[in-house]
Amino acid sequence: DIQMTQSPSTLSASVGDRVTITCRASQSISNWLAWYQQKPGKVPKVLIFKASTLESGVPSRFSGSGSGTEFTLTISSLQPDDFATYYCQKYDAYPLTFGGGTKVEIK
Amino acid sequence: EVQLVEYGGGLVQPGGSLRLSCAASGFTFRSYDMHWVRQATGEGLEWVSGIGTTGDTHYSDSVKGRFTISRDNAKNSLYLQMNSLRVGDTAVYYCARKVWGAGMDVWGQGTTVTVS
Repeated sequence: DIQMTQSPSTLSASVGDRVTITCRASQSISNWLAWYQQKPGKVPKVLIFKASTLESGVPSRFSGSGSGTEFTLTISSLQPDDFATYYCQKYDAYPLTFGGGTKVEIK
Repeated sequence: EVQLVEYGGGLVQPGGSLRLSCAASGFTFRSYDMHWVRQATGEGLEWVSGIGTTGDTHYSDSVKGRFTISRDNAKNSLYLQMNSLRVGDTAVYYCARKVWGAGMDVWGQGTTVTVS
């Protein structure tokens, strides 16, 4: 099975910072990748699908890029509402594996 | 309103069984792939099982042979029959709707399964 590895596992940043999270697949998944945000005690929310397509209603400060095996989620200017844990997920084929998550903390 | 509501969680002994249900409303249930995703306390998301619109089923290696996913389109419901439960199956179980070619865009609030 294809493994999904996120880095870093924890990230400390300040409001206004540009933040980048990386997700690597152990084999090519083309662009079949989604990014989710999860806040404590809340359900996950999809931010981006097909590696770079913004889900409806998601602020434009979020962007995704990449294809094949390396992907990034970028927050152009971190806002107080963005402190959360972010997960990538492959959906090229089963199993629909999630990455281990990246917690974005307040610096 | 598009909504998913899970129920059926609870406390069960190792080796026991439990059946989770997920009631869908506000959308054409039969037109979507549906999934179960779980999350142990303080841990990440783990995809568990999925069922397609044609009834094709898929499982993670960790639950294959023990869990069975099913759906009843007439009742707008998704199910997860969990047998031979292990301590490691303890988690919040979410049902989620997946759009073809996109991500899981609707999630239930989750139901807690404790195996102890």
